[in-house]
Amino acid sequence: KNEVEQSPQNLTAQEGEFITINCSYSVGISALHWLQQHPGGGIVSLFMLSSGKKKHGRLIATINIQEKHSSLHITASHPRDSAVYICAVSFGYNTDKLIFGTGTRLQVFP
Amino acid sequence: EAQVTQNPRYLITVTGKKLTVTCSQNMNHEYMSWYRQDPGLGLRQIYYSMNVEVTDKGDVPEGYKVSRKEKRNFPLILESPSPNQTSLYFCASSTGTSGRYNEQFFGPGTRLTVL
Repeated sequence: KNEVEQSPQNLTAQEGEFITINCSYSVGISALHWLQQHPGGGIVSLFMLSSGKKKHGRLIATINIQEKHSSLHITASHPRDSAVYICAVSFGYNTDKLIFGTGTRLQVFP
Repeated sequence: EAQVTQNPRYLITVTGKKLTVTCSQNMNHEYMSWYRQDPGLGLRQIYYSMNVEVTDKGDVPEGYKVSRKEKRNFPLILESPSPNQTSLYFCASSTGTSGRYNEQFFGPGTRLTVL
């Protein structure tokens, strides 16, 4: 079965710390998304990756196709980064179906 | 303002009573999709549409129907709701005909309870 696993499930940090959230998947993919779900429930798309690395502000997303692994990094974390971060992948090239990880809950304390 | 809207935002209903959750986007997006979110299971895709009159099943399509008669609207239909369809539902849209290669814009969610 095509699976997506995220780690850790929960993460606490002090303001200013460097954060890493991991996403692993079982078979080859055509694309990977990172999403952020705010405490109020709203969902925002952060990145779409099919290879390499992307950066937006303090957020960096990387993907290693051979190792079937992606990481989301947050530099200089801030309490407003507190949210659930969700990884989603599209397996193969013949479908637009997305499979999601169960999310990583991040809390950043001042 | 560019947005995806869903109605209703909250709904309590009874088993077997047909209902429709509407989704509309004003960004002229071709791709639209429905998801449900459950504690411990995360987000799961129900159906998606790459363009008008083109739809395909996601991971959990059973018990749901969709239609895409107009580009801006993508309603989710529950013909005979059951308690296991109690969930938080999200609609999303993106540019292009592929949801996997493009940023998705999510609606605010619809919390459905089926008694």
